Amino acid sequence: DTGVSQDPRHKITKRGQNVTFRCDPISEHNRLYWYRQTLGQGPEFLTYFQNEAQLEKSRLLSDRFSAERPKGSFSTLEIQRTEQGDSAMYLCASSSREGWDEQYFGPGTRLTVT
Amino acid sequence: GDSVTQMEGPVTLSEEAFLTINCTYTATGYPSLFWYVQYPGEGLQLLLKATKADDKGSNKGFEATYRKETTSFHLEKGSVQVSDSAVYFCALLYNQGGKLIFGQGTELSVKP
Repeated sequence: DTGVSQDPRHKITKRGQNVTFRCDPISEHNRLYWYRQTLGQGPEFLTYFQNEAQLEKSRLLSDRFSAERPKGSFSTLEIQRTEQGDSAMYLCASSSREGWDEQYFGPGTRLTVT
Repeated sequence: GDSVTQMEGPVTLSEEAFLTINCTYTATGYPSLFWYVQYPGEGLQLLLKATKADDKGSNKGFEATYRKETTSFHLEKGSVQVSDSAVYFCALLYNQGGKLIFGQGTELSVKP
């Protein structure tokens, strides 16, 4: 197992466009998390799933953001009508049922909105 | 609300120097505490953790002790190496499988 993977690693888009990111967690990890990290700051929680159920969403997750994990495996994060303030690194993490307190992070997707 | 505060960086040390990175937290309950590290060009990695008061987490020569009385979880290493240059994040976690709350990160630069 190669760990948590994210695609794409970099995305440049124009303001107003929609973007979608994908996260593949470690196999058999039932929990999957999305965070956002801006330059010089720590990651901020966006949302998390247990299997296919979305259990918590941050107030940071405006109605332009939507996340899914339809089969309890990979997840997608979509941002509609992107704004310059959406420019950030989007991190995905996963954890197992037994090791619930150890979240393993992917390399992130860096979004630049021009 | 719950929060984590870290000492501001960047911290610059010479090789073999002693390292302390301060971390304090504000929480209404009894969270688990973590240190994550982000090496240049790499993703966040768990460095160590402590799940209850007076627990000491340790890994790769780094240590941190969960101090409930001072709400602190300071990271220490007796002798740093150039390869320890990275950004270090303190974080707390409450409920099972829930969200991590991170500090703002402290950049460490170790010079030979």
